[in-house]
Amino acid sequence: NAGVTQTPKFQVLKTGQSMTLQCAQDMNHEYMSWYRQDPGMGLRLIHYSVGAGITDQGEVPNGYNVSRSTTEDFPLRLLSAAPSQTSVYFCASSKTGLVGNSPLHFGNGTRLTVT
Amino acid sequence: QKEVEQDPGPLSVPEGAIVSLNCTYSNSAFQYFMWYRQYSRKGPELLMYTYSSGNKEDGRFTAQVDKSSKYISLFIRDSQPSDSATYLCAMSTLMIKAAGNKLTFGGGTRVLVKP
Repeated sequence: NAGVTQTPKFQVLKTGQSMTLQCAQDMNHEYMSWYRQDPGMGLRLIHYSVGAGITDQGEVPNGYNVSRSTTEDFPLRLLSAAPSQTSVYFCASSKTGLVGNSPLHFGNGTRLTVT
Repeated sequence: QKEVEQDPGPLSVPEGAIVSLNCTYSNSAFQYFMWYRQYSRKGPELLMYTYSSGNKEDGRFTAQVDKSSKYISLFIRDSQPSDSATYLCAMSTLMIKAAGNKLTFGGGTRVLVKP
């Protein structure tokens, strides 16, 4: 099993550019989410989805869009990149949306720099 | 003030020593407590998961939760150089499925185990 696959691994953008971070999982997980990780801040939830066609905002959603047209894929779109969006982005999935019986599986991250 | 506090370290110990890690939190609604291990340039992976108060042991790892003090701990016995990583605590309230598997993370403690 590949688990959670994120592409690209690295990306450099100029301010104002847009791009899509890809995330795919092959575990038939219902729940998928996006986190960003910044030094000293821990991981912060951007958006999440409890199933195909259903998405919702997390703690830091501004500047990001998501959609979930299939169970496997959950892309994250940066609409107009800003230097404050320089971060490491992690996609995570779990079998269900319930914490109690469903640990999160993380991808290996996309390292994004906005100049 | 952050909802979950964790000393960033680094915590340096000799091989074979006990590693002691902890987190404090302010939200008394947290019911699920987890420890994740993150190697450099990799995604976090779940180490331990506990529900409510008490202790849980898994091999060389012991997790403790003291809800009255809002304090959780992770102990690593007989530490090995391969334990060198960043350890993240994470917590969640009792959530219904539709609200998603949302975790609040500490900032992580970097651990170095020297041979």
